Amino acid sequence: EAGVAQSPRYKIIEKRQSVAFWCNPISGHATLYWYQQILGQGPKLLIQFQNNGVVDDSQLPKDRFSAERLKGVDSTLKIQPAKLEDSAVYLCASSFLDPLIQYFGAGTRLSVL
Amino acid sequence: AQSVTQLDSQVPVFEEAPVELRCNYSSSVSVYLFWYVQYPNQGLQLLLKYLSGSTLVKGINGFEAEFNKSQTSFHLRKPSVHISDTAEYFCAVSPKAAGNKLTFGGGTRVLVKP
Repeated sequence: EAGVAQSPRYKIIEKRQSVAFWCNPISGHATLYWYQQILGQGPKLLIQFQNNGVVDDSQLPKDRFSAERLKGVDSTLKIQPAKLEDSAVYLCASSFLDPLIQYFGAGTRLSVL
Repeated sequence: AQSVTQLDSQVPVFEEAPVELRCNYSSSVSVYLFWYVQYPNQGLQLLLKYLSGSTLVKGINGFEAEFNKSQTSFHLRKPSVHISDTAEYFCAVSPKAAGNKLTFGGGTRVLVKP
C-alpha cells in the first residue's frame, strides 16, 4: 500500500511570494489533514477535510492560507503572500475508517527568506 | 482546550540502556492518548494509543506507555534501546468526543549512542 505522498520535499521562497504544496493521501482515505510543524514544536492542525468538504479550518490563517480538495482525493495548500514566520514543515495526513489512526506523509519543508 | 507538555526536549541514551520519555497533559474533557515517532526525514508514525481499559499499553518496536489519570501523565518507556530508535517522539491527546483532533506536545529528541 502506497503511503501519503507530498511534494515538493523542500521549498525556499522570499517573503511576500506565493507557494503551493500538494498531497495525495492513501487510496480510499476519505479524511485528509494539513498540519504545520514549526521547528522545535509539535504539529498543529491547520485544516481537516472529509471527502471534498471542510470539517475544521479553525486554525487556518485564512487571510493568507487556503486549501482545497476539489475531487475528494488529492489536496493543495497555498500560502499567499508568505511571511517569515511561515517557515515550517507542512505535513499531510489521511485516515480511513478509524479516525484515531492517521497516516502521515514526509512533509514539505518551507523556508521563507 | 487541551495542552501537552513533554518535559524533556532531548534525551541522550546509550545503546541497550532503558529510556523513559515523560508526557503530561491538561484537559477539561476525557481524552485519548497517543505516542508518535518521527524518524529523520520521514512523517510521523503511530507507536501506540490509549483508549480505555488497562493503563499499560504496548506498542510497536518494544515500546510501552502507562496512563496515570491522577497525575495526568502518559510516559513512554523502552527497556533496551537500539541505535535505530534515534528519532523524535511526540505525545498527543484527542478529546474522546472528537477522536481525530490531535494536540501534540513539543517533542522529545532521543539520541541513542553506541
